[in-house]
Amino acid sequence: DGGITQSPKYLFRKEGQNVTLSCEQNLNHDAMYWYRQDPGQGLRLIYYSQIVNDFQKGDIAEGYSVSREKKESFPLTVTSAQKNPTAFYLCAVSLTSGGVLGEQFFGPGTRLTVL
Amino acid sequence: AQSVAQPEDQVNVAEGNPLTVKCTYSVSGNPYLFWYVQYPNRGLQFLLKYITGDNLVKGSYGFEAEFNKSQTSFHLKKPSALVSDSALYFCAVRDGADSSYKLIFGSGTRLLVRP
Repeated sequence: DGGITQSPKYLFRKEGQNVTLSCEQNLNHDAMYWYRQDPGQGLRLIYYSQIVNDFQKGDIAEGYSVSREKKESFPLTVTSAQKNPTAFYLCAVSLTSGGVLGEQFFGPGTRLTVL
Repeated sequence: AQSVAQPEDQVNVAEGNPLTVKCTYSVSGNPYLFWYVQYPNRGLQFLLKYITGDNLVKGSYGFEAEFNKSQTSFHLKKPSALVSDSALYFCAVRDGADSSYKLIFGSGTRLLVRP
């Protein structure tokens, strides 16, 4: 987990509220990713960003939004439009240059619960 | 389309016995393959990767994996299991023809090593 921080570790949200999950990295990696993990399921990609000020939708982007204003930061907002937001959210980073073929390194995760 | 299959939801093995966690994949280009391990309420930890070269790849904590192109498989192995190996294991693939650096994850296999 070293070099990638996610906060908070646990987050509780009331229905209808937007919440923002933080992901910060000091590894100087170019690409950042947000995944959602549900019990008994694998990881599903929400959004990813390969450079600052640019990001792309993943497989389940509806109800989520992101920004990438700085290389080291990639916050995820879970909006009220996301109908089933209770899940474990994981942030990851990877290199995209120098011939490195992109293994991803993960933060410790944020567990979001909707009350 | 890229895909990864982990056919076993759970693998049970006695401590000291060899273990195998299965993974098969489907990509259109050259596969870049990865194994990760996840302990409860933690992020994923990178174990090993196959990019090219020797089909037998050695990784962290005594794990290894064998790439088999004809069977499109990348099974994770360890000669002698430890109780502390009990965790959730994910296989992932990146399509070498995809410039997005996205990884596709399997659904995960829970390994239970009994004393």
